[in-house]
Amino acid sequence: GEDVEQSLFLSVREGDSSVINCTYTDSSSTYLYWYKQEPGAGLQLLTYIFSNMDMKQDQRLTVLLNKKDKHLSLRIADTQTGDSAIYFCAGGSQGNLIFGKGTKLSVKP
Amino acid sequence: SAVISQKPSRDICQRGTSLTIQCQVDSQVTMMFWYRQQPGQSLTLIATANQGSEATYESGFVIDKFPISRPNLTFSTLTVSNMSPEDSSIYLCSVGTVTEAFFGQGTRLTVV
Repeated sequence: GEDVEQSLFLSVREGDSSVINCTYTDSSSTYLYWYKQEPGAGLQLLTYIFSNMDMKQDQRLTVLLNKKDKHLSLRIADTQTGDSAIYFCAGGSQGNLIFGKGTKLSVKP
Repeated sequence: SAVISQKPSRDICQRGTSLTIQCQVDSQVTMMFWYRQQPGQSLTLIATANQGSEATYESGFVIDKFPISRPNLTFSTLTVSNMSPEDSSIYLCSVGTVTEAFFGQGTRLTVV
C-alpha cells in the first residue's frame, strides 16, 4: 500500500524560507495535499496539487511535485512564528488519504 | 469549503465503556471518513461512511469495535466500544470532494 515519508523536524529563523519534503510510494494518488496542525487543533488544509502538475503557488506557499522521483515539497516564504506547527503531506483523493507522520516546524525569532 | 462540527471536543472515559462521537457537516456530502490520530502519530483511516450503506473498514479496524452510523447526507457517528487506554487518541471526521478533503476539529479521547 501507499507509504508517505517525511522528515520529523525542521527549525528555521523568522523571515527565512522553510522547505518541508515528502516522498511517497504510490503514484496512483490523484491529488497530493499539505495540511497544517497547530497544537490542540484539527487539520487545516493548506493547499493541494493535482498529480499531473509540477508546481502550484498560493501566496507564501509553493508546492513542487516531482512525479518521477515521487517527491513533494512545500516551501513557505518569509516564515513567521505563526507558521510553527506540524505539517502533514498526504496522498489520495476524495477524502480517502494516506498521511505522512508529519514534520514539526519550529520558527525561531 | 465544508464546515464540520464534531461533538464532544474532548472526553475522559472509563475503560470498558463506549463513547459515541457525532459529526455534522454544513452541506450534503456523499462520503464521510473517520480517522484516528494516536498520540504523536499521523492520521490513520478507520472507515469510509456512505449514506445508505454499511461503512467500509480499513485493515485493523472492525465494526464491532468502531460501529458507524450514517443516517443522512450531513451527519455521521462513530462509536468507540469497550474502550481501553490504547484507544486514547484524537478521532477526526472528514469529508471529501473530488479535489479537497476537510477535517473537523477532532475529538480528543482519553481512556483511564
